[in-house]
Amino acid sequence: GDSVTQMEGPVTLSEEAFLTINCTYTATGYPSLFWYVQYPGEGLQLLLKATKADDKGSNKGFEATYRKETTSFHLEKGSVQVSDSAVYFCALMMDSSYKLIFGSGTRLLVRP
Amino acid sequence: NAGVTQTPKFQVLKTGQSMTLQCAQDMNHEYMSWYRQDPGMGLRLIHYSVGAGITDQGEVPNGYNVSRSTTEDFPLRLLSAAPSQTSVYFCASSRTGLVFRNEQFFGPGTRLTVL
Repeated sequence: GDSVTQMEGPVTLSEEAFLTINCTYTATGYPSLFWYVQYPGEGLQLLLKATKADDKGSNKGFEATYRKETTSFHLEKGSVQVSDSAVYFCALMMDSSYKLIFGSGTRLLVRP
Repeated sequence: NAGVTQTPKFQVLKTGQSMTLQCAQDMNHEYMSWYRQDPGMGLRLIHYSVGAGITDQGEVPNGYNVSRSTTEDFPLRLLSAAPSQTSVYFCASSRTGLVFRNEQFFGPGTRLTVL
């Protein structure tokens, strides 16, 4: 079935370091792809999305590009801040569905 | 707008007890859903609804009931709680339609412990 695989965490970085969180997917069709962020004690917030191949989603300095050839949607940020410490979820949604299929989440810890 | 609200925030139950987790949204969203979040497993869909009077099962529906009598509310019922239902529960909502389904709003969650 359709699924999402994320790199295991935690990922620990110093402030201003470059961030990459890997995400790959398996799907029978052409899904929409998402990154959600969960700050401590809160619900999930949509961070960015891409709905077709080669689309780049971006928000708050984070970026991810929908790569159909490698079935990937890696999250990147050029310079992380302590306030970026959170759990990041990659997810997909198939056409004609409202169901989000999530990866297991990657915890990011940014140290001052 | 309050967005998506969930009550209670925390709950401890004994095995066999029943309870209802409340979810409400004030955005007039047709689509609402319930997920559970377990360590190392991401979020999994329990039940969903595309409008008042319409509900359907998700990936892990066993042990849970839902109903949708109004657009605003989508309660999740545990009829006989089991320790395997210890989890964090999230409610989400969105408008229906190809464009709007891509933006789902999540509530703050209910942390449930079943002893």
